[in-house]
Order: sequence, then structure tokens, then C-alpha cells
Amino acid sequence: DQQVKQNSPSLSVQEGRISILNCDYTNSMFDYFLWYKKYPAEGPTFLISISSIKDKNEDGRFTVFLNKSAKHLSLHIVPSQPGDSAVYFCAASASRGSSNTGKLIFGQGTTLQVKP
Amino acid sequence: ETGVTQSPTHLIKTRGQQVTLRCSSQSGHNTVSWYQQALGQGPQFIFQYYREEENGRGNFPPRFSGLQFPNYSSELNVNALELDDSALYLCASTRDRIIYNEQFFGPGTRLTVL
Repeated sequence: DQQVKQNSPSLSVQEGRISILNCDYTNSMFDYFLWYKKYPAEGPTFLISISSIKDKNEDGRFTVFLNKSAKHLSLHIVPSQPGDSAVYFCAASASRGSSNTGKLIFGQGTTLQVKP
Repeated sequence: ETGVTQSPTHLIKTRGQQVTLRCSSQSGHNTVSWYQQALGQGPQFIFQYYREEENGRGNFPPRFSGLQFPNYSSELNVNALELDDSALYLCASTRDRIIYNEQFFGPGTRLTVL
């Protein structure tokens, strides 16, 4: 049962343009969402997060949007840079409930390639 | 301040063997989580340790076990290895198991089971 889904395995964009990475979830208990970036041979690094009480969070070039009714979130990177090329994971967590509390549920990842 | 470290980097074992993976948490962190990342998949939660006690477990069989030591470093033990256990094993540390605190990941241990 895949509770967090990233349906696009890969995305290619031109440098300077916007990158939009999407993520869907099924569990209504999730109330905290995160994006991680992973380079080869390194562990995932935290990028940005959003609580379910918000619908947008912005940090520099990175913005995460949350649509609770659609159980959908997206990460926007503007402008995209070649150094952003990596695998991006969406993750979700629940602050309450018995089965998910204290752990992150990850999507399958989307490989972003930003072309110079 | 040192980050999360894991050892070994790579490991090759055969079916039926046992393996121990190690993780040193970031300074000041008392919570360690272990994840398994199969090829092409996202990390899957194995279990979490908080102050030397297991604090949550994912959908993994009992042959996956762990320990946390007084200095908050941790071990992941896997008995009776199976081919499907081949994966990247990641540990992550954070403060006080609170989900709103950032989890810092180590580089992982790549386990190959032949």
C-alpha cells in the first residue's frame, strides 16, 4: 500500500525555468510533509517542509504547496539551476495515530535533471 | 559538530548470513531511525530508537533488530539474510523524536546479498 506517491519518475527542465515536482498521498492522518534531495552516494538532505495548517511555505528558490482536499503537494523550484539535478523525495508524517507516528513515509522519488 | 556517520560503506554477504550495520548520530541527537532503500524506491522505515528503547517499527520481520547505546549510536542487525535484503540502509538522527525536528541522514551502507 503506497501511501505517498510520486508518479513522475523523472523530470527534465532547462536552466532558469521552473521545476515542478508533484506528490500525492492517501492517508488523511498525515499532517506534516517534507521534501528531501538526494545526490548519488550521499544520504537524503532536508529541503523544505510544510505543516497541514498551511497551504504554502517558501524558502528562497523553493516553494511547497499543499492542497489538503486533493491530498496533493508540489515543490516548485524557481529558477532551476544545474546543481539542483538530484533525486527528490516527498515524505509525510503523522503527529497522531498509531501506525505512522514518529516515522517518515517516503514516495518513490523523482529524478530532476536541469540542463544548462 | 559532526554529522551522521555509517559503517561500513559497502558490504557483500551471502544468503543465510547475519550482518550488523552501525550508525553514529549527530552530536546532541538522541533519536535514531533506520530506513531501507531498495533500488528505484524511496526509503522505507524499519524502526526508530529513542533513548535506547525502540519507539516504533515498520513492516519488517523480527529478523531485523536493533540497538541503541548510551551515547545514542545505533546498530541494525539482520539475521538469515535473503536476496531481497539487498538495499541501501540509511540511518537518520534527530532530537527528541519530534517529527517537526529535522532528521539528518547518513550516507548509507550498501548491502549486497548473493
